[in-house]
Amino acid sequence: EPEVTQTPSHQVTQMGQEVILRCVPISNHLYFYWYRQILGQKVEFLVSFYNNEISEKSEIFDDQFSVERPDGSNFTLKIRSTKLEDSAMYFCASSEQGSSGANVLTFGAGSRLTVL
Amino acid sequence: GDSVTQMEGPVTLSEEAFLTINCTYTATGYPSLFWYVQYPGEGLQLLLKATKADDKGSNKGFEATYRKETTSFHLEKGSVQVSDSAVYFCALSDKNTDKLIFGTGTRLQVFP
Repeated sequence: EPEVTQTPSHQVTQMGQEVILRCVPISNHLYFYWYRQILGQKVEFLVSFYNNEISEKSEIFDDQFSVERPDGSNFTLKIRSTKLEDSAMYFCASSEQGSSGANVLTFGAGSRLTVL
Repeated sequence: GDSVTQMEGPVTLSEEAFLTINCTYTATGYPSLFWYVQYPGEGLQLLLKATKADDKGSNKGFEATYRKETTSFHLEKGSVQVSDSAVYFCALSDKNTDKLIFGTGTRLQVFP
């Protein structure tokens, strides 16, 4: 069964460092997403991406965050200068038709980011 | 804004016990409702969904009914197995937005 793959599974970084989290969505999907879950809290929407541009973003997704689809297969989340509160599990997802209504997202296993 | 509230975990059950995980939502429109499951080391997987009031989603012995009058979408299973041990997430999506809104997740632990 097709799956979304994420790397790294766990990254530890120092505060202020740049981090890039990588995702390979399902090949025929057109919509891509990043969510995050701070330990013990809700899974939160960060950003959606379609047709090579951001289609929606949350207030969490400030200027420190960026997303990119550098080639036909990868979808990356960059955090420019990490803060302690960026420590979380980051989930990538993709879908054929977007998530409005009842369309289904396929999620990756997550990348755990620990900022020291 | 829209939100989802789930019962706190962990829920600990013996094999073959009955399971209920409560989920209630707040939404201005008529959202679609979902249950996702995360097994250890894996991604969030869709378990079941319902798109309108009184719809029942079902899969792998799990069921949930979209109750508009109580704004609820409780997950049930008649007889749980050890392999059902996982974290279960309730979520909603609105037709006017491109995001899922999740609850905090409920960890289920089933012992033989």
